[in-house]
Amino acid sequence: AQSVAQPEDQVNVAEGNPLTVKCTYSVSGNPYLFWYVQYPNRGLQFLLKYITGDNLVKGSYGFEAEFNKSQTSFHLKKPSALVSDSALYFCAVNPRGSQGNLIFGKGTKLSVKP
Amino acid sequence: SQTIHQWPATLVQPVGSPLSLECTVEGTSNPNLYWYRQAAGRGLQLLFYSVGIGQISSEVPQNLSASRPQDRQFILSSKKLLLSDSGFYLCAWSTYGQGNTEAFFGQGTRLTVV
Repeated sequence: AQSVAQPEDQVNVAEGNPLTVKCTYSVSGNPYLFWYVQYPNRGLQFLLKYITGDNLVKGSYGFEAEFNKSQTSFHLKKPSALVSDSALYFCAVNPRGSQGNLIFGKGTKLSVKP
Repeated sequence: SQTIHQWPATLVQPVGSPLSLECTVEGTSNPNLYWYRQAAGRGLQLLFYSVGIGQISSEVPQNLSASRPQDRQFILSSKKLLLSDSGFYLCAWSTYGQGNTEAFFGQGTRLTVV
């Protein structure tokens, strides 16, 4: 079965430190990969995506993600975390050929402390 | 620009009562439309998706139904709500046939069945 794994329920970092939120996937072929962020009681906001090309993708709010085909991973990163980055982060994949149906991970809560 | 509207923002309904949640999209035509449910502030479960008027695919058999009476209108319904229907419901849209484009989410409806 196709799936997305976010192995950490919560990630804690100090403000100014780099952050990484992990994501691995089990999908046949070469899927499209996405990261979303959700603030409390709000909808999901798109951060970035990988379609093809450079393995390092840059997105909104200073976030970037690195695609690793051999490890089937798409980890979200930011060089210097802000307290305002605290939120719930979702990794998602869309198998190529699909009508845009995203398969989501269960989410990782990021907490950035001052 | 495209926008997505979802209402109401919160809803408290008694068990056995009907439900109707509405979602509309502006600024695009023939979008893919989706209904997701998020339980306990974490993972998203795809409930229904639609690639055109009157075309509904159900991902999970349950007490809910969906309809798409117009190109940019997607409605989630129930004849009789159960306690287990409580949750955070999210509507989303993406460009038709383009699995490489991101989905855009509404602000969500918090449904509490009492």
